[in-house]
Amino acid sequence: DTGVSQNPRHKITKRGQNVTFRCDPISEHNRLYWYRQTLGQGPEFLTYFQNEAQLEKSRLLSDRFSAERPKGSFSTLEIQRTEQGDSAMYLCASSEQGSRETQYFGPGTRLLVL
Amino acid sequence: AQKVTQAQTEISVVEKEDVTLDCVYETRDTTYYLFWYKQPPSGELVFLIRRNSFDEQNEISGRYSWNFQKSTSSFNFTITASQVVDSAVYFCALSEWTGGGNKLTFGTGTQLKVEL
Repeated sequence: DTGVSQNPRHKITKRGQNVTFRCDPISEHNRLYWYRQTLGQGPEFLTYFQNEAQLEKSRLLSDRFSAERPKGSFSTLEIQRTEQGDSAMYLCASSEQGSRETQYFGPGTRLLVL
Repeated sequence: AQKVTQAQTEISVVEKEDVTLDCVYETRDTTYYLFWYKQPPSGELVFLIRRNSFDEQNEISGRYSWNFQKSTSSFNFTITASQVVDSAVYFCALSEWTGGGNKLTFGTGTQLKVEL
C-alpha cells in the first residue's frame, strides 16, 4: 500500500509565474486536504475535498489559488501570479470517510518564489 | 476558535534521557480528537497517535507514551530513553469537525534534538 505522493517535491519559480502541484492520495481514501506550512510554523489548513466536491476553503486561499479534484482521485493546487509570500511547503493529506478520521500526509512540495 | 499551544520551541537532550513535549489546547467542542505528528528533516508529517476526548487513559507504545488530561486541556508526549533518530519537529494537533471533514489545527511545533 503506497502512501500519499506529491509532485514535484521542489519548485523554484519567479514572481508572477503560475505553478501547479499534484497530490495522489492513498487509493481508498475519499477525503483529501491541502495545508500550507511556513518556516517555523505548523501546517495551516487551506481546503479539502470529499470525493470531487470541494467542501471548504480557508481565508488563506486567495483568489490566486485554485484547487481541483476532478475525478475524486488525484488533486491539483494551482497558484497564479505567484508572490514571494507564497513561498512555503504545501502539504497534502488524505483520509477515509469518518467523523474523526486520521489524516495521512504526503512529503510535501516546497515552493520558493524568487 | 480552536487553538493549540506548544510552548517549548526547542529541546535538546542527550541520548537515553527521557523527554516530555507539552501540548495545551483550547476548544469549545465537547467531542474532539487530538493528534501527535512527527516531522523529520525530510519534511513528511508522520502520524504517531490519535486520542478522542472521551478516552483519558494514558497510552504507551514502545518508548512513546501520552498523557491526556482533560481537566487541564493538555496532551503531553513523553519519549523514554531518547535516541538520535528521535530528532525531529513534533506537532500536536486538534481536529475540528466542519460538517463534512476535519480541519486540523496545529501547534507551532517543538524541535527535539537528541545528541550523543
